[in-house]
Amino acid sequence: DAGVIQSPRHEVTEMGQEVTLRCKPISGHNSLFWYRQTMMRGLELLIYFNNNVPIDDSGMPEDRFSAKMPNASFSTLKIQPSEPRDSAVYFCASSPGTETQYFGPGTRLLVL
Amino acid sequence: AQSVTQLGSHVSVSEGALVLLRCNYSSSVPPYLFWYVQYPNQGLQLLLKYTSAATLVKGINGFEAEFKKSETSFHLTKPSAHMSDAAEYFCAVGSGGYNKLIFGAGTRLAVHP
Repeated sequence: DAGVIQSPRHEVTEMGQEVTLRCKPISGHNSLFWYRQTMMRGLELLIYFNNNVPIDDSGMPEDRFSAKMPNASFSTLKIQPSEPRDSAVYFCASSPGTETQYFGPGTRLLVL
Repeated sequence: AQSVTQLGSHVSVSEGALVLLRCNYSSSVPPYLFWYVQYPNQGLQLLLKYTSAATLVKGINGFEAEFKKSETSFHLTKPSAHMSDAAEYFCAVGSGGYNKLIFGAGTRLAVHP
């Protein structure tokens, strides 16, 4: 099993640019989670999906952030426009319905 | 509502010494409890989980945790620390719906020779 796949692994962009992070969950998992991790705020849950439907997006910091899950094997997290304070590591995790979450390697985002 | 408190943001031990990382939880329903480990520049990996089968749970890399309902605790231990155990450790509680987990703030473990 390939595990959760995230791309890109690293992203450097300039303030105001659109950023799209991608995630492929483990096949057969029905829940998907997006997290953000920073030194100051630790690990924050941004949004999660169940059976491709967004369940709770209360963790999304601003309207600049949006997430989609068009099918069971793909999700995106988009930031438009990006700001320096969005710099963080973004993790995607998936779950097969057992409450155990399996994390991807993360995308390290730097907004200049 | 569920919550998790990890006591001590940083713990330092000598190689070969006992590792004890503390976690207390709050849950209105019988909890599912987890410990995850994060090595530098990597994602979180599952160490072990408690799902009400046995109070002492054994995980990978020689770690174990004991569920104590009376103390609402789920502390992580390892008898003898190894240099490779240096990482950040997160305790988490299942929130009872849609597989969402509530994570603690994390404890960074340093192991020195």
